[in-house]
Amino acid sequence: NAGVTQTPKFQVLKTGQSMTLQCAQDMNHNSMYWYRQDPGMGLRLIYYSASEGTTDKGEVPNGYNVSRLNKREFSLRLESAAPSQTSVYFCASVDRDYYNEQFFGPGTRLTVL
Amino acid sequence: RKEVEQDPGPFNVPEGATVAFNCTYSNSASQSFFWYRQDCRKEPKLLMSVYSSGNEDGRFTAQLNRASQYISLLIRDSKLSDSATYLCVVKGPGGYQKVTFGIGTKLQVIP
Repeated sequence: NAGVTQTPKFQVLKTGQSMTLQCAQDMNHNSMYWYRQDPGMGLRLIYYSASEGTTDKGEVPNGYNVSRLNKREFSLRLESAAPSQTSVYFCASVDRDYYNEQFFGPGTRLTVL
Repeated sequence: RKEVEQDPGPFNVPEGATVAFNCTYSNSASQSFFWYRQDCRKEPKLLMSVYSSGNEDGRFTAQLNRASQYISLLIRDSKLSDSATYLCVVKGPGGYQKVTFGIGTKLQVIP
């Protein structure tokens, strides 16, 4: 049981390049989330998927797109990377939208030059 | 006013000391409260949920004060392994898209 996995762990992009961050969970959770974490700021929600087949914008969705490929996988795509997207990205999942614990992946450290 | 406010610290305390963190929240409709622990360059992990009646888990005690809109975390007999950043997490009504994270309080336990 790996929990939540993310790839890649590190990535350096040039401005304007695109990339997809991958996330998968093996806990059969319904809801999945993408956050970014920047110094001096709490984690901020980019996009979420409350269930397979649905996605919605969070607090900071501009410059990102997502795909809930199936119940296990939720990917985040940067179409044209900008230096402001330099951050640590965390994927998370939760069993039900209730009082349950959110499980986080190990994160992807992205630098955009 | 920020939705969730925490003192970023760092709090430098000697081993064996008792340390307390507070976190204030602005939305009186908030429903669920958590403390997460985040080690350096790692993902956040749930430390404990915070219940209205207060709850304890070993050396850790969490309390909620709805009237004053704050939650607290008390760590007794600090260990070196307690060194980490402690995130206050507040969930509003609705799903986890309504979760707000504090910036975290950094704790450094010194030998």
